[in-house]
Amino acid sequence: SQTIHQWPATLVQPVGSPLSLECTVEGTSNPNLYWYRQAAGRGLQLLFYSVGIGQISSEVPQNLSASRPQDRQFILSSKKLLLSDSGFYLCAWGFNLAYEQYFGPGTRLTVT
Amino acid sequence: GESVGLHLPTLSVQEGDNSIINCAYSNSASDYFIWYKQESGKGPQFIIDIRSNMDKRQGQRVTVLLNKTVKHLSLQIAATQPGDSAVYFCAENTGNQFYFGTGTSLTVIP
Repeated sequence: SQTIHQWPATLVQPVGSPLSLECTVEGTSNPNLYWYRQAAGRGLQLLFYSVGIGQISSEVPQNLSASRPQDRQFILSSKKLLLSDSGFYLCAWGFNLAYEQYFGPGTRLTVT
Repeated sequence: GESVGLHLPTLSVQEGDNSIINCAYSNSASDYFIWYKQESGKGPQFIIDIRSNMDKRQGQRVTVLLNKTVKHLSLQIAATQPGDSAVYFCAENTGNQFYFGTGTSLTVIP
């Protein structure tokens, strides 16, 4: 069976510091991978998705970036965090853009 | 843009009763829908899905109903249990991207 991991689970970072969140998937090959942000009381906002190694599509302009160095690894980064970057970040995988997505446990990021 | 919303932000039900959670969508081209359950501090968990060529689909204790005429989706949970307490939200897909609702918070009263 497939499993998806995210770390860290929680993170507190000062404004202006860098960010690196990691997501890995086990038990499948060549998955579509997604990064979402979930703000309190709001729906999931798609940030990035990737259909293969090195292929990244950005949905929302921001100071975040994503990379996919390996087939089952997806990284969310920032060079300088803003207060507005605080939120719950979720990684997800799916077989196809039009099929179900399965989410990881999430990372709670607080920028102070 | 897409609009996926829920009729009620909160719902309280007695343990053992049935729960019904509703969702409205705006894009008639949406052809695939998912219900997710999200417990506090955790990632969303896939519950059940339905495609637009169906109007009903059943799982274990859950049923999803799709009314394309009024662009409405509902999730029915039979014999609601305390472990069902969570936020439930729907997602719609037009073929290449999902749009997610904000969710309904379900509280089960023992």
